[in-house]
Amino acid sequence: GDSVTQMEGPVTLSEEAFLTINCTYTATGYPSLFWYVQYPGEGLQLLLKATKADDKGSNKGFEATYRKETTSFHLEKGSVQVSDSAVYFCALTPFSGGYNKLIFGAGTRLAVHP
Amino acid sequence: GAGVSQTPSNKVTEKGKYVELRCDPISGHTALYWYRQSLGQGPEFLIYFQGTGAADDSGLPNDRFFAVRPEGSVSTLKIQRTERGDSAVYLCASSLTPYGQGADGNTIYFGEGSWLTVV
Repeated sequence: GDSVTQMEGPVTLSEEAFLTINCTYTATGYPSLFWYVQYPGEGLQLLLKATKADDKGSNKGFEATYRKETTSFHLEKGSVQVSDSAVYFCALTPFSGGYNKLIFGAGTRLAVHP
Repeated sequence: GAGVSQTPSNKVTEKGKYVELRCDPISGHTALYWYRQSLGQGPEFLIYFQGTGAADDSGLPNDRFFAVRPEGSVSTLKIQRTERGDSAVYLCASSLTPYGQGADGNTIYFGEGSWLTVV
């Protein structure tokens, strides 16, 4: 079945460092891909999305490119801030049609210190 | 309301007891989803409602779990004879329609979750 694998955390960075969180997926066809973020004490929020190969999703300085050839959707940010500390989830909705059934990775905790 | 509301935010119950978790979706959203998130894991799908009907309940782990949405708005997740392994965060989400998550304007919105601890 469809699945998502993302790098284990925690990831600990200094402020202004470059961030990469790896995400790969297994799916048939062309799923839609997403990054969700969960800040402390808050619900899951959609961070960015990409619906077809080579699409780049971006939001709040974060970017991720849908790579069909490597089945990847790595999250990047050029300069992280303390306020980016959160848990990040990579997810997909299958191509098979039907409704939006999200399949999540296990999550990666990011801690940014001053 | 402005967002997806879930109550209670925290629930501690004894093994074997019955529990109800409530979800109030965003007004006008026809699609409603329940997910379960265990410690250190990503959310796992439980059930999806389109309107009043459960269109997909394939994620419910066993027959102790049941969910309803009688008027197509508020939903209740019911857990009978709770077990310690049921301890998790139960997340509710809603969207305007169930299709086209990739399309602009049809985002799935999540509540903050109900933390269930079975002792």
